[in-house]
Amino acid sequence: DVKVTQSSRYLVKRTGEKVFLECVQDMDHENMFWYRQDPGLGLRLIYFSYDVKMKEKGDIPEGYSVSREKKERFSLILESASTNQTSMYLCASITGVSQPQHFGDGTRLSIL
Amino acid sequence: GENVEQHPSTLSVQEGDSAVIKCTYSDSASNYFPWYKQELGKRPQLIIDIRSNVGEKKDQRIAVTLNKTAKHFSLHITETQPEDSAVYFCAAGGYNFNKFYFGSGTKLNVKP
Repeated sequence: DVKVTQSSRYLVKRTGEKVFLECVQDMDHENMFWYRQDPGLGLRLIYFSYDVKMKEKGDIPEGYSVSREKKERFSLILESASTNQTSMYLCASITGVSQPQHFGDGTRLSIL
Repeated sequence: GENVEQHPSTLSVQEGDSAVIKCTYSDSASNYFPWYKQELGKRPQLIIDIRSNVGEKKDQRIAVTLNKTAKHFSLHITETQPEDSAVYFCAAGGYNFNKFYFGSGTKLNVKP
């Protein structure tokens, strides 16, 4: 069974801090994704990666960056956290073309 | 890019009744349409999916229909039970780096 693990379930940070959210998958998937989930807005794609060191912007990349140095790990970085980045963040990886995404448990991030 | 609209945003049914959630999409290139169920505090989990070469798919009490001409797909849950209460998300995509676009979600409440 696919396992996608996010490093933290809950995280509280202060405005201006640099924040790292980590995601690890154990199935050698090439494609990984970071979403942000807000009530009434569904899941919005921040960034995705289709290979090591390869990344593409999603629909809401502003204020975020990503890193994929190893195939199994995809990191989301908030360069200078702001209160409007308080949200639930979900990581996902995919098994192949026209296959479902598998999600991690999510990180609920609060920026004070 | 793709645009997915989902209705209704909330749905309340009596136990044993049927529930229908509808989604429309804009990009005719989308070829894969998964449905996810997200219980409170948990990760989204795939419950059923359909590919563009199929019009209908059923799995016990859950069914999905797809009308490619109208760019419309629906989730049908029959004989609803209290444990069906959750937020349901539709998604469309699969053709471009396996990216998906999600609907805004439907909160289903099944009253005992």
